[in-house]
Amino acid sequence: EAEVAQSPRYKITEKSQAVAFWCDPISGHATLYWYRQILGQGPELLVQFQDESVVDDSQLPKDRFSAERLKGVDSTLKIQPAELGDSAMYLCASSLSRDEAFFGQGTRLTVV
Amino acid sequence: KQEVTQIPAALSVPEGENLVLNCSFTDSAIYNLQWFRQDPGKGLTSLLLIQSSQREQTSGRLNASLDKSSGRSTLYIAASQPGDSATYLCAVGSYNFNKFYFGSGTKLNVKP
Repeated sequence: EAEVAQSPRYKITEKSQAVAFWCDPISGHATLYWYRQILGQGPELLVQFQDESVVDDSQLPKDRFSAERLKGVDSTLKIQPAELGDSAMYLCASSLSRDEAFFGQGTRLTVV
Repeated sequence: KQEVTQIPAALSVPEGENLVLNCSFTDSAIYNLQWFRQDPGKGLTSLLLIQSSQREQTSGRLNASLDKSSGRSTLYIAASQPGDSATYLCAVGSYNFNKFYFGSGTKLNVKP
């Protein structure tokens, strides 16, 4: 069964270091989402791609976060420098346009 | 901005009970609504997707309804089992590129 792949599953990093997460969506899915989920809360959208174009990054802290999807397939989310408040679960999801969204297992980030 | 609320935040029931989880949203101009299940420390598993033109969807012991005009959706779980214990999240999809807005979830505990 096709699934969204994310790596790493867990990441511990020191404050002020750089960290990157990778996501490989389900083949053929044009829409790719990056969400951040703080413990006990619902996911919040950071950035949404349609193919290789960003369609929404209004909640992405652009001074430290960046995201790219160069060939419209897999995607990387980067944080530099990491802050203590960035500790959270980072979730990637994909969908055919305007259809059911499928999520990966997420990357649990701990900033110390 | 779309606001999504899920009540109750937590629910504990004995095995075998039928139960209803609630989701309300402030803007009725939605494209679709999706219910997810999340186990501790894991990603989201899609349960049901309801398009805006539909009133309900069923999958096994799960039934989700949608009333756009009142801004409400319910997830009905029949004959609950301990394996149903998880957090249930509802996500409302907007017309604008199908951006999903999430509630904070209902944490369900089914006691044996």
